[in-house]
Amino acid sequence: KQEVTQIPAALSVPEGENLVLNCSFTDSAIYNLQWFRQDPGKGLTSLLLIQSSQREQTSGRLNASLDKSSGRSTLYIAASQPGDSATYLCAVRAQGAQKLVFGQGTRLTINP
Amino acid sequence: DAGVIQSPRHEVTEMGQEVTLRCKPISGHDYLFWYRQTMMRGLELLIYFNNNVPIDDSGMPEDRFSAKMPNASFSTLKIQPSEPRDSAVYFCASSLGRILYGYTFGSGTRLTVV
Repeated sequence: KQEVTQIPAALSVPEGENLVLNCSFTDSAIYNLQWFRQDPGKGLTSLLLIQSSQREQTSGRLNASLDKSSGRSTLYIAASQPGDSATYLCAVRAQGAQKLVFGQGTRLTINP
Repeated sequence: DAGVIQSPRHEVTEMGQEVTLRCKPISGHDYLFWYRQTMMRGLELLIYFNNNVPIDDSGMPEDRFSAKMPNASFSTLKIQPSEPRDSAVYFCASSLGRILYGYTFGSGTRLTVV
């Protein structure tokens, strides 16, 4: 059974810092991994989608990496801003499956 | 595209009442998913459909829960009778089945059963 873990559960950093969020999964047989952002009381916004054959994806100040063999992904946020404050969720789609399995998320707070 | 549309955004109901949540997926997407989010358990898949046919309902917690997809543009999740422990945020998501595509989530329905 695929399990996804995100560490840390919460992170608070001052504005301007570069930071890394971690995601690990137990079964490396995946199709892809997706990072989402969730603002309080809101839905999930897709940030980046990495296919199993890719090692990283970039969008603006965000960079996501994937090491499938070790079951790890990181989300790098450069030059953090207060508007980046949200919960970040990673989810994997296992091979042969359609559903996404989610981690519990990292609640990020960027202090002005 | 307007994205995945869910209604209502908020629902407060009394224990024992029937609750119906609605979802309109993105046009052309052939997969539709219902997830539930709680503080304790995070995001859990309840059921998903492919081309309007239920494929996996193993996540549906009890017989009180039922889901339908009468056509490609509409799905419902019904709880009857509702209980306080059903209080959660219910999300609908849709996707193209091809592995190159990700999932798009709706804004969710926050359900409170009192």
